[in-house]
Amino acid sequence: GNSVTQMEGPVTLSEEAFLTINCTYTATGYPSLFWYVQYPGEGLQLLLKATKADDKGSNKGFEATYRKETTSFHLEKGSVQVSDSAVYFCALSLSITQGGSEKLVFGKGTKLTVNP
Amino acid sequence: DAGVTQSPTHLIKTRGQQVTLRCSPKSGHDTVSWYQQALGQGPQFIFQYYEEEERQRGNFPDRFSGHQFPNYSSELNVNALLLGDSALYLCASSLGLVQETQYFGPGTRLLVL
Repeated sequence: GNSVTQMEGPVTLSEEAFLTINCTYTATGYPSLFWYVQYPGEGLQLLLKATKADDKGSNKGFEATYRKETTSFHLEKGSVQVSDSAVYFCALSLSITQGGSEKLVFGKGTKLTVNP
Repeated sequence: DAGVTQSPTHLIKTRGQQVTLRCSPKSGHDTVSWYQQALGQGPQFIFQYYEEEERQRGNFPDRFSGHQFPNYSSELNVNALLLGDSALYLCASSLGLVQETQYFGPGTRLLVL
């Protein structure tokens, strides 16, 4: 089946540390890949996306590269801030052939805490 | 430009009751998807509505049903509530027939006692 596996958290870092959150996927065909972020008490916000192999998504200093050969989409940031503390979800999208947009399949999420 | 809105923000029900959650999509969007997010888990796809029809459904029982109105807004109905239905219910909107990102609302937190 189609699934997403994320590294288990929680992850605790000091401000300005380097961040990597691993994400691998299993899917039929070639899905689009996403990272969403959820701040405490809020819904999900799109952080970045990549729609085909070797694409790099980037936003707010975060980056992730779609690696077909390793079926991975790891999230990285060179220098985290306290305000980056949140839960991060990796997701893939599957086309719905009957019309409409893509259905998202999410990982379980990784909680990041950044200390000053 | 209004984003995705959901109502109510919080809701408390008892087992066996029925609940209706509402969602208004982002301006210009015509497709609405619903997700259930249990505590500490990733969102799970419930179903999607496009052109007022249910287009795709996840692994949820028939107690979960929905509707889309001509103005593209949508409702999620859950009958015979169980304790396990306690979760954050997220609505996402997008533009159908186009490869488009889904934008999420803030969610409705449902507690079943």
